[in-house]
Amino acid sequence: AQSVDQPDAHVTLSEGASLELRCSYSYSAAPYLFWYVQYPGQSLQFLLKYITGDTVVKGTKGFEAEFRKSNSSFNLKKSPAHWSDSAKYFCALEGQGTGSKLSFGKGAKLTVSP
Amino acid sequence: EAAVTQSPRNKVTVTGGNVTLSCRQTNSHNYMYWYRQDTGHGLRLIHYSYGAGNLQIGDVPDGYKATRTTQEDFFLLLELASPSQTSLYFCASSDEAGGFAETLYFGSGTRLTVL
Repeated sequence: AQSVDQPDAHVTLSEGASLELRCSYSYSAAPYLFWYVQYPGQSLQFLLKYITGDTVVKGTKGFEAEFRKSNSSFNLKKSPAHWSDSAKYFCALEGQGTGSKLSFGKGAKLTVSP
Repeated sequence: EAAVTQSPRNKVTVTGGNVTLSCRQTNSHNYMYWYRQDTGHGLRLIHYSYGAGNLQIGDVPDGYKATRTTQEDFFLLLELASPSQTSLYFCASSDEAGGFAETLYFGSGTRLTVL
């Protein structure tokens, strides 16, 4: 079985601060991990993914994420945050050999105040 | 960029009604998916397909049927709609050229309300 947990449903910070959205996963083998973003009233867009290799992956819009096998985490980071980063962020996991079935976390709603 | 088009954008029906949600992708992707998004649950996979005529069961398939008529078109059918199926539905597609970890491209969503 595979699962993803995003423990912080709502995150609020001021523009210019550093943001970090937490994601932890449960999977018995090496996972493929993703972050997607959903801006208000819009659909989901791909941000970045980890497959293998370098544990820090860089994505679009200045975001990066760090894969930590030791504590099964894949946290999303950006510094500094901008008000336009306000959105809902989803972490997702694809297990090897699962036929492209992604398991999504419940999402984290980020609000960045100007 | 991949284009995935869903219709209708909004749909209201009554309990027991028959609803079909449509999705078309124009990027020759092999995989197509139907997800539902609900507050407190994130996105949950209903059905998916890796080609015309193929159907795979997702994580929350009860009450839903799906058909993949062509590589481009994927339909979600609710034959006896219930209020618990009120949700925001997303279609997505992906290319399987690499065999794994492919990016999903999402449509704009269909908001379904079952009264």
